[in-house]
Amino acid sequence: DIQMTQSPASLSASLGETVSIECLASEDIYNNLAWYQQKPGKSPQLLIYYASSLQDGVPSRFSGSGSGTQYSLKINSLESEDAATYFCLQDSEYPTFGSGTKLEIK
Amino acid sequence: EVQLVETGGGLVQPGRSLKLSCVASGFTFSSYWMYWIRQAPGKGLEWVSSINTDGGSTYYPDSVKGRFTISRDNAENTVYLQMNSLRSEDTATYYCAKDLTTPFDYWGQGVMVTVSS
Repeated sequence: DIQMTQSPASLSASLGETVSIECLASEDIYNNLAWYQQKPGKSPQLLIYYASSLQDGVPSRFSGSGSGTQYSLKINSLESEDAATYFCLQDSEYPTFGSGTKLEIK
Repeated sequence: EVQLVETGGGLVQPGRSLKLSCVASGFTFSSYWMYWIRQAPGKGLEWVSSINTDGGSTYYPDSVKGRFTISRDNAENTVYLQMNSLRSEDTATYYCAKDLTTPFDYWGQGVMVTVSS
């Protein structure tokens, strides 16, 4: 099974700052990596698919990059509504999720 | 508008069974793979099962293999999750989802399953 190691577990940043979240796969996942945002009591919402493609309706301050085993989500110009937990998900083989990153906006 | 509505959750004793349903609308149900994903209280997400478009292929992680069964009825636009021999560690919110990680990705609102005596 492919393991996804996500970091950091939590993050605190100010409005307008830029943050990055990383996911490391235990083997090459060939860009089969998506990023989700989840707010309390809500279901996850897709932000990025195929490592770097922005889902329709998602603000352009969100971007994804990476290849092979290393992937990252970058959020520019943080807004208060970005406070949430973020997960990566690989589906190169059976789906596995990262452990999540809780983002707090100061 | 795409909708996925999960039902069938509740409180169940360890060792008993429960069947979840997810009714889909707003898209051509028979054209999409469907998934069940769960999230234990305050924890991360775990993939539980997948089913292909005609129901002929199903997939499970080791944690539920042999206990859970996913199925679908394309005429009724519904996907099911039969959960047997339930354990306390199966306590979670269960989400139904379509076409994970693609531009057509969509999740239901989730249904809570509590396994406790």
